[in-house]
Amino acid sequence: DTEVTQTPKHLVMGMTNKKSLKCEQHMGHRAMYWYKQKAKKPPELMFVYSYEKLSINESVPSRFSPECPNSSLLNLHLHALQPEDSALYLCASSQGASPEAFFGQGTRLTVV
Amino acid sequence: RKEVEQDPGPFNVPEGATVAFNCTYSNSASQSFFWYRQDCRKEPKLLMSVYSSGNEDGRFTAQLNRASQYISLLIRDSKLSDSATYLCVVLTGGFKTIFGAGTRLFVKA
Repeated sequence: DTEVTQTPKHLVMGMTNKKSLKCEQHMGHRAMYWYKQKAKKPPELMFVYSYEKLSINESVPSRFSPECPNSSLLNLHLHALQPEDSALYLCASSQGASPEAFFGQGTRLTVV
Repeated sequence: RKEVEQDPGPFNVPEGATVAFNCTYSNSASQSFFWYRQDCRKEPKLLMSVYSSGNEDGRFTAQLNRASQYISLLIRDSKLSDSATYLCVVLTGGFKTIFGAGTRLFVKA
């Protein structure tokens, strides 16, 4: 079983909606990641938080807004998304000194 | 040129076969290397890290060649349960992780 928990598992939202994806880990990991994965493609890095500070933003559109309230939680706030944003959104975490990352099961997002 | 490139696959092999995957990376400053496995509609799971000295975990052997900038994964005695997509992952500059496109493996009875 994964020790990274993502909610919700599935989400359908309209283009004018605001929603949030949540990710939680209790492994004491100090780095947390958001990835986007389209069908039959590899995960693409979106954001990295290290010690609760945004470390990497891979030029992600502002309609995606990450937030790291504490060392165990990571949110991704969604607003005014487009249908092409439909994808599997994966959260991952790793120890700072050991970059092996552990993934949550993902949130399957559909934008209608 | 993509930063991380993998054999396109798919690989179709019988049970018990030995199969090898290769992956090349373009950034010579890359620091860490991994193989992940992803089953259909599931999250990626770490299979093994890859070290310059080579490392083995049961039927799986990983190798890293820094001079030629490639990594490999060898699977011996393939099982039906090995059927999955194998993703080469390279870590460059802090936490920047780059996934290869993945290689699909089908093991058949």
